[in-house]
Amino acid sequence: QSVLTQPPSASGTPGQRVTISCSGSSSNIGRNYVYWYQQVPGTAPKVLIYRSNQRPSGVPDRFAGSKSGTSASLAISGLRSEDEADYYCAAWDDSLSGRLFGGGTKLTVL
Amino acid sequence: QVQLVQSGAEVKKPGASVKVSCKASGYTFTSSAMHWVRQAPGQGLEWMGWINVGDSNTKYSQKCQGRVTLTRDTSASTVYMELNSLRSEDTAVYYCAREFNGLDDYWGQGTLVTVSS
Repeated sequence: QSVLTQPPSASGTPGQRVTISCSGSSSNIGRNYVYWYQQVPGTAPKVLIYRSNQRPSGVPDRFAGSKSGTSASLAISGLRSEDEADYYCAAWDDSLSGRLFGGGTKLTVL
Repeated sequence: QVQLVQSGAEVKKPGASVKVSCKASGYTFTSSAMHWVRQAPGQGLEWMGWINVGDSNTKYSQKCQGRVTLTRDTSASTVYMELNSLRSEDTAVYYCAREFNGLDDYWGQGTLVTVSS
């Protein structure tokens, strides 16, 4: 059972804006950076957001990360069919002295 | 260009050990860290541990502590993940991921480890 809680599924139609939440605690999201990953089944994860709201080069600005208190969100605007994938949040946990991943959210583009 | 190439799939019996390699190229090997993450079939991602390639300092997840060992060979630009006392629950795809400047920007292709009697 993940200590970072994500909804198991999300969906939207092309062009829509979708938000995926990640709820944690004071020992992880509350005091550390949040990371977001996209994983197409059968492939390695790809980082979309690091340091809570930074985008690596090559990641479209349709993807945006935010953090408030012990929760974080990934917003995807202008939804496209190729955005259909699994999305994971992650953060360091000071109590566990390790990195935690959320359980993942399967995004379906209708 | 940066590349992480992992060793091939393994099939092991319960109680055995497995050692997966991750060969890096295209950057200064000792200037980064390497995470190991695994994914059981149909499940989510699980962080196993981290090694600072420069000084060999390691950190392991509480779940894997005592069974996993991360090492590096700077002459071969390779990081190794060894997991002991394998059980069926260790069946998973194992990934290495380079961390540089706070960003795990490159991932290996994954190595499937199957534990079965």
